[in-house]
Parts: sequence; C-alpha cells; structure tokens
Amino acid sequence: AQTVTQSQPEMSVQEAETVTLSCTYDTSESDYYLFWYKQPPSRQMILVIRQEAYKQQNATENRFSVNFQKAAKSFSLKISDSQLGDAAMYFCAYRRGAAGGTSYGKLTFGQGTILTVHP
Amino acid sequence: DAGITQSPRHKVTETGTPVTLRCHQTENHRYMYWYRQDPGHGLRLIHYSYGVKDTDKGEVSDGYSVSRSKTEDFLLTLESATSSQTSVYFCAIGRETQYFGPGTRLLVL
Repeated sequence: AQTVTQSQPEMSVQEAETVTLSCTYDTSESDYYLFWYKQPPSRQMILVIRQEAYKQQNATENRFSVNFQKAAKSFSLKISDSQLGDAAMYFCAYRRGAAGGTSYGKLTFGQGTILTVHP
Repeated sequence: DAGITQSPRHKVTETGTPVTLRCHQTENHRYMYWYRQDPGHGLRLIHYSYGVKDTDKGEVSDGYSVSRSKTEDFLLTLESATSSQTSVYFCAIGRETQYFGPGTRLLVL
C-alpha cells in the first residue's frame, strides 16, 4: 500500500518570503501522480499543483512550484513571494496511474502541514 | 469551480441513529468519492463509485454504506452512528484530478 508522509505539522513564513513544504511517499509503482491541495479556514479543498511521475520537469503554477525527486520519493512544494492568503493547511496526495483500473482515481493523503504567514 | 454540493453542511445527531449525507454534482462525472478528515490523519477514503450502481470500499469503510442510483448523486449512510464517526466528510469527483465539495461537519453525541 502507498503511504504519504508530511513530517512538518506546522510551518511559518514572513510575507513576501519563500517557504518549502516537505512530502515523502512510498510506492512500488512507476506510474503515479502527485498533488498538493490547499485547505484554507473555509475548509474548501483547493488543488494547487499536480505532477506526473513520468515527467522529469517540475510542475509550476505561478508562485507555486514543486521539487520532484523520483528516486528519493520526495515531492516538496515551494511557495514564493508568500501572501497572507497562502495561510492554510496543505496536503500532499498520491494517486496511482492508469494500471490501477477502476481504483486508480483514489487519493492517498499525507497528514497535512499548517502554514502560517506573518505580515 | 466544479459543481459539487453537499448536504447537509452541518449535522448533530445521537449515537445509534442513522445518518445520510448527500453529494450532488452537475459535471456528469463517472467517478465520485467519500473521504473523512480527522486531525493527524489527513483525508481517508471511505467509499468510491466508478459509475451508477458501481461502488467499492476504501480504507475506512467499516460502519458506512453508499449508494449511487443516478450519475449526479452519491449517498453516504451511517447505519448506526457512533462517536468515532464524528468528523468532516468530503465528497470529491474526478479521475485524473479530483475536485472536492465544501464538506459536511458531523457531530455524533
């Protein structure tokens, strides 16, 4: 079974600075996808970024980028120019690839990291 | 935003009573999921559906059942609620990428 670990229960950053959230995962599969979701105080789960394991290039979405290290099974999220609106719980998640059949859409989540942004 | 609604949004119930949570989508997507969120555990999959009347168990399915008689609706039932089922419940849709509903906060007294 796949597992996802976020070893930082809490992180903090000053506004306009850069912060990196860590995520490691364990899998024996070669085809999979990784995601970061943001959960602000409203509780809504918002997709931040997605990475396909077969792609060597790290995904980026505006101020959000990932450092995907497949051999190390590491998937960290970097937030640049942090803003007050970035304060939230961040979840790393894993999904197996198409070989998983009807079960392949299922997500396995890490425990989450609470990010505080100081003005 | 994906058209996903959950009802009710908040519910307080007593131990031993049945509870049904509803997820409704307007995206006509085959895949739907129910997760629960608890401190220290992230989100964990309860049940999922890959089509009308096609459902399967997730990692924490004990005490829960689901039904999907229409593409747009996925129901989660707690046959006899227990205090350990106090949680926030999320519905999601999608296969390549999942999109989540707003959540239902359930308190079992």
